[in-house]
Amino acid sequence: DIQMTQSPSSLSASVGDRVTITCRASQSISSYLNWYQQKPGKAPKLLIYAASSLQSGVPSRFSGSGSGTDFTLTISSLQPEDFATYYCQQSYSTPHTFGQGTRLEIK
Amino acid sequence: QVQLVQSGAEVKKPGASVKVSCKASGYTFTSYDINWVRQATGQGLEWMGWMNPNSGNTGYAQKFQGRVTMTRNTSISTAYMELSSLRSEDTAVYYCARGHTAMVPPSYYFDYWGQGTLVTVSS
Repeated sequence: DIQMTQSPSSLSASVGDRVTITCRASQSISSYLNWYQQKPGKAPKLLIYAASSLQSGVPSRFSGSGSGTDFTLTISSLQPEDFATYYCQQSYSTPHTFGQGTRLEIK
Repeated sequence: QVQLVQSGAEVKKPGASVKVSCKASGYTFTSYDINWVRQATGQGLEWMGWMNPNSGNTGYAQKFQGRVTMTRNTSISTAYMELSSLRSEDTAVYYCARGHTAMVPPSYYFDYWGQGTLVTVSS
């Protein structure tokens, strides 16, 4: 199975900050990397697919980059509604494993 | 609009089985995979498996092989996930999610999710 490792596990930031979350795969996954946002009590929401493609309706302050084994999710200017948990997921092969999550908290 | 609506919360005893449903609307049910993902309280997301509603083909995570069965009823656009031999560690919220395959760029992602079904396993 491909292991996905996110860092950091938690992060405190302020509204307006630029934030970067990283995700590393245990082997090359090309660009088969997705990012999801989850708020408490809600289902995950797709933000980025294919490493850098923005899902329809997602604000442009979210961006993704990377290929192979190393990926990043960047939020250019944090908004109050962005405080949530973020997960990366590989869809290169089954099982479609998720990272352990990054909890983004208000400083 | 695309919607996945799941069945309600369940309480089961250890050793029992649970069957969760996921009713799709707003798109052609047989054109997209259905995946199942679970999340224990305070924990991360765990992929369980996928099903192609057109063919009925399935693929399960090794961890759940022999205990999980994913099926569908195309006449009512509904997918099902049945988990047997339940134990306390199976207490979690179970989600169905639509799997979208794209060619440009080549990708596979979960673009719509159900609201989740809490399954509690307790004696």
